[in-house]
Amino acid sequence: EAAVTQSPRSKVAVTGGKVTLSCHQTNNHDYMYWYRQDTGHGLRLIHYSYVADSTEKGDIPDGYKASRPSQENFSLILELASLSQTAVYFCASSDRGGQDTQYFGPGTRLLVL
Amino acid sequence: GQQVQQSPASLVLQEGENAELQCNFSSTATQLQWFYQSPGGSLVSLLSNPSGTKHTGRLTSTTVTKERRSSLHISSSQTTDSGTYLCAIDASGSFNKLTFGAGTRLAVCP
Repeated sequence: EAAVTQSPRSKVAVTGGKVTLSCHQTNNHDYMYWYRQDTGHGLRLIHYSYVADSTEKGDIPDGYKASRPSQENFSLILELASLSQTAVYFCASSDRGGQDTQYFGPGTRLLVL
Repeated sequence: GQQVQQSPASLVLQEGENAELQCNFSSTATQLQWFYQSPGGSLVSLLSNPSGTKHTGRLTSTTVTKERRSSLHISSSQTTDSGTYLCAIDASGSFNKLTFGAGTRLAVCP
């Protein structure tokens, strides 16, 4: 089973502050993803990466940056946190693209005040 | 953009009853996955089924690609099946960029 960990597990941030969410996977997967989930809704793709040192925009990238310094690590950065970014953030990885199963981390609950 | 519609939005069963969850999508899907989200929030992939019928344990998924629909059948439900079931598709063909539905919330009562 793929192991994907996220830190922190929860965070309270102030509006206008910088927030960094981290994701680490230990299975040599090439693909990594960041999603957000709002209460009562499905997940939406923010950024993804298929190789180290490269990131791609997903469906809702505005207000977010991503960084993939190594195959194992993928960070999501909120330079100027806003109230609307309060959500649960999930990181996922898969071995390749195409039809490979995505394995999800436990999620990070972010509250922006 | 792509849309994924799930029905019903919620479902209440007595233990032992069967459940049928539906997923309809607006774009041709090269990948379709069913996920289980626990009441605590963790996500687990149940089945990957872009076409045809797949079984695993008490779960059966049937996807009719040209009709853009998939179903997930849960037989002999148990209280531990309670949670939210999410359907997700990828239309990108190569990057596995999933678009999720809002989910079906299932409650199984003893």
